[in-house]
Amino acid sequence: DIQMTQSPSSLSASVGDRVTITCRTSQIISSYLNWYQQKPGKAPKLLIFAASALQSGVPSRFTGSGSGTEFTLTISSLQPEDFATYYCQESFSNPGSFGQGTKLQIK
Amino acid sequence: EVQLVESGGGLVQPGGSLRLSCAASGFTFSDHWMSWVRQAPGKGLEWVANINQDESEKYSVDSVKGRFTISRDNAENSLYLQMDSLRAEDTAVYFCARDRDWNSYPYLDYWGQGTLVTVSS
Repeated sequence: DIQMTQSPSSLSASVGDRVTITCRTSQIISSYLNWYQQKPGKAPKLLIFAASALQSGVPSRFTGSGSGTEFTLTISSLQPEDFATYYCQESFSNPGSFGQGTKLQIK
Repeated sequence: EVQLVESGGGLVQPGGSLRLSCAASGFTFSDHWMSWVRQAPGKGLEWVANINQDESEKYSVDSVKGRFTISRDNAENSLYLQMDSLRAEDTAVYFCARDRDWNSYPYLDYWGQGTLVTVSS
């Protein structure tokens, strides 16, 4: 099984900040990595697929990068609606695994 | 507009069974793999199972193998999850999600709002 290590587990930041979340995998997965955003009581929302492809309708301040075993999600300038929990997910295996999540809170 | 609506959740005793349903609309259901993902209260996401377009391929996480069965009815645009021998640790919100892929890179692009399953005596 592929192990996912997402960091940090929580993060406090202010509107306008640039933040980066990291996801590491226990084996090489090429670009089989997706990122989701989830707000309390809601379904997850796809942000990034194939490590760096921006899902339609997602603001360009969200950027995904990486390949192999290390990946990052960057939000270039935090907006109030971005405070949520973020999950990475590998799709190299079937079914794939999710990271444990990063809770992004307002400082 | 793509819509996925789950139903069938509820309270069940340990060892009991439930059948979840997901009604799909707004897209050609028979063209897509489909998935079930769950989230225990206050916890992260766990991809439970998925199924291909004609039910010839099914995959599930080890913790539910032999107890949960994923299936679909393309004529009814519906996805199902038969859950048997339920345990307390199966308590979660269960989401139905549509699979897509781009250049063979899979992802889940639409999700339902979820249905809560509580396993307790």
